[in-house]
Amino acid sequence: QKEVEQNSGPLSVPEGAIASLNCTYSDRGSQSFFWYRQYSGKSPELIMSIYSNGDKEDGRFTAQLNKASQYVSLLIRDSQPSDSATYLCAVMGGGATNKLIFGTGTLLAVQP
Amino acid sequence: DTEVTQTPKHLVMGMTNKKSLKCEQHMGHRAMYWYKQKAKKPPELMFVYSYEKLSINESVPSRFSPECPNSSLLNLHLHALQPEDSALYLCASSQDFVELAFAYEQYFGPGTRLTVT
Repeated sequence: QKEVEQNSGPLSVPEGAIASLNCTYSDRGSQSFFWYRQYSGKSPELIMSIYSNGDKEDGRFTAQLNKASQYVSLLIRDSQPSDSATYLCAVMGGGATNKLIFGTGTLLAVQP
Repeated sequence: DTEVTQTPKHLVMGMTNKKSLKCEQHMGHRAMYWYKQKAKKPPELMFVYSYEKLSINESVPSRFSPECPNSSLLNLHLHALQPEDSALYLCASSQDFVELAFAYEQYFGPGTRLTVT
């Protein structure tokens, strides 16, 4: 059973702080990793994708991937109340299925 | 433009009704997906179409019937649903599903909120 695990939270951070969201996955053959943001009652929005080990930065967001440790993280710098949402980690493995496996999501609350 | 549109936004139907959900994308994507999402749960894959052919059916009950009339459109036909089928139904699309080395990013539509009474 291929799994993606996230801490459900809530993760509470003060405005302006760095929020760190973590995700582990079980399938060593996984090649592609995504972070989605989902506001309450809305659909998931893709905010980051990462395919190789290391860091990838986009504005206030940095995705980090460590395939040896089967670990992917998302850092949000200068957190804003508008960042308050559920963050879903999604992993697409190798093999024929190529399905996205979602974690259960981490609820982030940024306190003004 | 990474836009996937879905209609209707909300749908209330009785257990004996037949209705359809529609999804459209104009990004030239060749893979389209239906997901079901219950409250406080992640999206759950239902169907995948690749190049207008059904490539994955995640053992979805036959009261859900997908259709892909062309590469831009995806329908989900609903018949004899149960109250437990009430959920947010999400459509997504990606460039190409069949790539083994690197998967393509999936973009979600706004969803249809379905209530079965």
